[in-house]
Amino acid sequence: DARVTQTPRHKVTEMGQEVTMRCQPILGHNTVFWYRQTMMQGLELLAYFRNRAPLDDSGMPKDRFSAEMPDATLATLKIQPSEPRDSAVYFCASGRDTEKLFFGSGTQLSVL
Amino acid sequence: DQQVKQNSPSLSVQEGRISILNCDYTNSMFDYFLWYKKYPAEGPTFLISISSIKDKNEDGRFTVFLNKSAKHLSLHIVPSQPGDSAVYFCAASFSGGYQKVTFGTGTKLQVIP
Repeated sequence: DARVTQTPRHKVTEMGQEVTMRCQPILGHNTVFWYRQTMMQGLELLAYFRNRAPLDDSGMPKDRFSAEMPDATLATLKIQPSEPRDSAVYFCASGRDTEKLFFGSGTQLSVL
Repeated sequence: DQQVKQNSPSLSVQEGRISILNCDYTNSMFDYFLWYKKYPAEGPTFLISISSIKDKNEDGRFTVFLNKSAKHLSLHIVPSQPGDSAVYFCAASFSGGYQKVTFGTGTKLQVIP
């Protein structure tokens, strides 16, 4: 079965360190989303790509977060410097010109 | 600004009974609505969707109802099974532009055997 692959599954880091999360979307999908799951906001949209072009990153703290798609098989989300309030589960999802998204298993981030 | 709201963080239902999960939205431009189910330590998975041109969509035990005038949709699960215990997310998008999908905060459903 085709699936969205996220690495790492778990990340524990210290405040101030750089964190990089990676996502391999399903082959043939042209949209990629980054979401963050929090108790208060649910699934919060951070960034969105279509055909590798960034379309919306209004949900990201611009001073510390960045999202890129260097090629069709890789999407990255970076946090630099990381802060304790960034602790959450980060999900990547991909789709093919539809709202039906396929999610990865997420990266559980803990910033101490 | 929470455009998609799920006001019940949790719900408990007896096995075999109906589960009703509710969702409200504020943006009248939304024209496509979805429900996702999420188990612990997994990503959400698509469950069912409905276009704004319909008021009901059914798939097996799952039915979604849409009331556009009230900006409200609901997911009915009949009969509920213990395997349905999960967090359910309501989501919405609009076709005027790109498919930006906005999610609610989720409702944790527990089906008691």
